[in-house]
Amino acid sequence: QSALTQPASVSGSPGQSITISCAGTSSDVGGYNYVSWFQHHPGKAPKLMIYDVSNRPSGVSNRFSGSKFGNTASLTISGLQAEDEADYYCTSFASSNTLLFGGGTKLTV
Amino acid sequence: EVQPVESGGGLVKPGGSLRLSCTVSGLTFSDAWMVWVRHLPGRGLEWVGRIKSKGSGGTIDYAAPVKGRFTISRDDSKGTLYLQMNSLKTEDTAVYYCVHDRSGYYFLHYWGQGTLVTVSS
Repeated sequence: QSALTQPASVSGSPGQSITISCAGTSSDVGGYNYVSWFQHHPGKAPKLMIYDVSNRPSGVSNRFSGSKFGNTASLTISGLQAEDEADYYCTSFASSNTLLFGGGTKLTV
Repeated sequence: EVQPVESGGGLVKPGGSLRLSCTVSGLTFSDAWMVWVRHLPGRGLEWVGRIKSKGSGGTIDYAAPVKGRFTISRDDSKGTLYLQMNSLKTEDTAVYYCVHDRSGYYFLHYWGQGTLVTVSS
């Protein structure tokens, strides 16, 4: 199965909002409500920001939100802050019990 | 809090083998479904595979790039997860993470700090 499709990079100014898309198929993103988003700073472990499409783990800022329409999921970050600058990856449960990652999006603030 | 800790990374020549270990505290390991994820330099994160708990059948699934070369196993008596990597290729160079799957649908909340594997002659 192919990786999920994300834009290579996005940018925004402090205080603005940005949205990162994650395109899949009906066999992964569109077929299950098991999309997650991870924030990855180089040299550190990835951090779960959103799970099950739109749920935030305890401790994650409500500036982060997730949604899905059809075969495409999205991560929105509002009120951008300097510390949000990182790589962001989407994942989706897929048929055959596998996990697909997106190619990653570099966010520049 | 759940805390996985990986070990065993290092430098290995192409065609060689390496075994990674991961101990997990903060949960009943025998009930845990565990996942290996790797960060390929310049290429992003990639799912390596997952092992279910023995109570859930112990099924193991692998990503296509590692199937037939890598083996995931567990020793519940030691609370340890393993990743046996054989016939290593330069493209297997990565930081390997051990992750707890909380839901069975890849709810990957707790990650280890990672261990670096470098495949080079």
